[in-house]
Amino acid sequence: DADVTQTPRNRITKTGKRIMLECSQTKGHDRMYWYRQDPGLGLRLIYYSFDVKDINKGEISDGYSVSRQAQAKFSLSLESAIPNQTALYFCATSQHAYGYTFGSGTRLTVV
Amino acid sequence: AQRVTQPEKLLSVFKGAPVELKCNYSYSGSPELFWYVQYSRQRLQLLLRHISRESIKGFTADLNKGETSFHLKKPFAQEEDSAMYYCALRPGNTNAGKSTFGDGTTLTVKP
Repeated sequence: DADVTQTPRNRITKTGKRIMLECSQTKGHDRMYWYRQDPGLGLRLIYYSFDVKDINKGEISDGYSVSRQAQAKFSLSLESAIPNQTALYFCATSQHAYGYTFGSGTRLTVV
Repeated sequence: AQRVTQPEKLLSVFKGAPVELKCNYSYSGSPELFWYVQYSRQRLQLLLRHISRESIKGFTADLNKGETSFHLKKPFAQEEDSAMYYCALRPGNTNAGKSTFGDGTTLTVKP
């Protein structure tokens, strides 16, 4: 079983719809992150959380919101999806000095 | 502010040839540097981190603070090394756990 699980794996949605991407982990890590990957732009940080009561904006948080329901769960929402939010979204976890453990990604297409 | 630059989007070498993927960074403090790899149809995974000074799958990377670089090297490339490689920087401060990624380099090893 994967340590970091993202659902759904693929999603096509219409402009203006609300959509939630979910991430759960069994690593026991405190820190969780949401990144988006666009061709030629690398990974850009959307939101991050260092514990259940801590939520922080990343470099591209506009149009997104998050919820840290438990240590193991971190959800990303698009309140009103727009086509330029079409991307590959990654959830990641970490613990202190160690590197990230990534989920397998959610490919989102907004039409 | 922290920044990571990977000057080559695409890099192609022949099997058995040496390979070097470049990574330059800017950060005023003491950074932690990482290399991540994404093989086709697989999730991003940590390849190595400068703190551990390890060699993984024949790859090494040395942090050069004078040149602010963390280049990834392998003396003899293999076809299975073909993948996308990301360099990442995290502030060397246990309270600042979020990483900044470069735009990535796609390595192709030809037979």
